[in-house]
Amino acid sequence: QSALTQPPSASGSPGQSVTISCTGTTSDIGGYNYVSWYQQYPGKAPRLMIFDVTKRPSGVPDRFSGSKSGNTASLTVSGLQAEDEADYYCTSYAGTNNFAVFGGGTKLTVL
Amino acid sequence: EVQLVQSGTEVKKPGESLRISCETSGYTFNTYWINWVRQRPGKGLEWMGRIYPGDSDSTYSPSFQGRVTFSVDKSVTTAYLQWSSLEPSDTAMYFCAKRGHDSRYTMDVWGQGTTVTVSS
Repeated sequence: QSALTQPPSASGSPGQSVTISCTGTTSDIGGYNYVSWYQQYPGKAPRLMIFDVTKRPSGVPDRFSGSKSGNTASLTVSGLQAEDEADYYCTSYAGTNNFAVFGGGTKLTVL
Repeated sequence: EVQLVQSGTEVKKPGESLRISCETSGYTFNTYWINWVRQRPGKGLEWMGRIYPGDSDSTYSPSFQGRVTFSVDKSVTTAYLQWSSLEPSDTAMYFCAKRGHDSRYTMDVWGQGTTVTVSS
């Protein structure tokens, strides 16, 4: 069982917006503003999409945005495109000896 | 360009030892933690731990403490993940990932992964 809870699946039609949630505790998401989101295609390495809750690395489309409220973080993908179909993982810092606790992953399907 | 290039696929028998590598380039190796992440077939990502190349200071996730060992060779800017006695449950893809440049609490560049299969 993963430390952070994500829905196993999410879906939306091209052009729509979809939000993926990630729920933790006061020991991880609620205690720090260090949530990251990764996109992973099958058989490939994860790609950093969001860090420090809301920040986007260079090269990530601004269709991707992050937020947090209490113990729950969210990733929103606006203007869905076929290429957004992938697995998405959230992670949070949870202390020096628990640098990254992951969610179980959400498979995003573009209908 | 920052790059992490991992060693190739491994097929081993239970009880055998193994060391896989993560060769880095394009940044100052000594000053960014290298993390290791496991992904079992069809499963999610698990953080195994990390090593600071500057002094080899290592932190292991409790789930992996005593099961694996991290090391580095600064002369070739390469990090290693090692097992002394593999088990079938070690079958997985293993990724190395560099600590973020813009945030120390993320992993911004990842290796392509090394597939390890342990079977008799």
